Amino acid sequence: RKEVEQDPGPFNVPEGATVAFNCTYSNSASQSFFWYRQDCRKEPKLLMSVYSSGNEDGRFTAQLNRASQYISLLIRDSKLSDSATYLCAVNPIYGGSQGNLIFGKGTKLSVKP
Amino acid sequence: ETGVTQTPRHLVMGMTNKKSLKCEQHLGHNAMYWYKQSAKKPLELMFVYNFKEQTENNSVPSRFSPECPNSSHLFLHLHTLQPEDSALYLCASSPWGEEDTQYFGPGTRLTVL
Repeated sequence: RKEVEQDPGPFNVPEGATVAFNCTYSNSASQSFFWYRQDCRKEPKLLMSVYSSGNEDGRFTAQLNRASQYISLLIRDSKLSDSATYLCAVNPIYGGSQGNLIFGKGTKLSVKP
Repeated sequence: ETGVTQTPRHLVMGMTNKKSLKCEQHLGHNAMYWYKQSAKKPLELMFVYNFKEQTENNSVPSRFSPECPNSSHLFLHLHTLQPEDSALYLCASSPWGEEDTQYFGPGTRLTVL
């Protein structure tokens, strides 16, 4: 099983739709989780951090399910500008240094008018 | 946004060339990272530096040689690369105590002929 797995998509949704992505991780000892957004040919930018059960920021909600070892990202009322690739990252903290993030391949979202 | 800058933005080199990638962060962070992003693969952590000391080398071939002269600058020296090393090389930095919160530079797109 890969350390961090994401559905690559693409997810094609109309404006205003609600869309959710999941990210599964293999190391049950993982403590911190992140969603990054990466626009085409640009660098990843931190969208949200998830340290406990979840986090909410405007239209974006991230939730953590430790029992099933996944985190989700929910986007409500999607905008054209939400079109991007969403990367999931996990810090496994299994003896290595802090900051050793393990990334998924990303989920591509395309919001259509 | 100029928090983390990288030069050059694009680089084409032959397999016998020697070149260097440069990263500079203006955020007062203490940790810096090199990542490799290849098509259809997740971001791969290559090296981690914390207060100028290398704390992680993720089994990277010796044809990649990092250098961190101070907490604000990070270099990646390249020599005798292979075509499969063609990728986007991203630098990131993070603040003390928040190593999981990483800010990325725009990357250097490297093509090895």
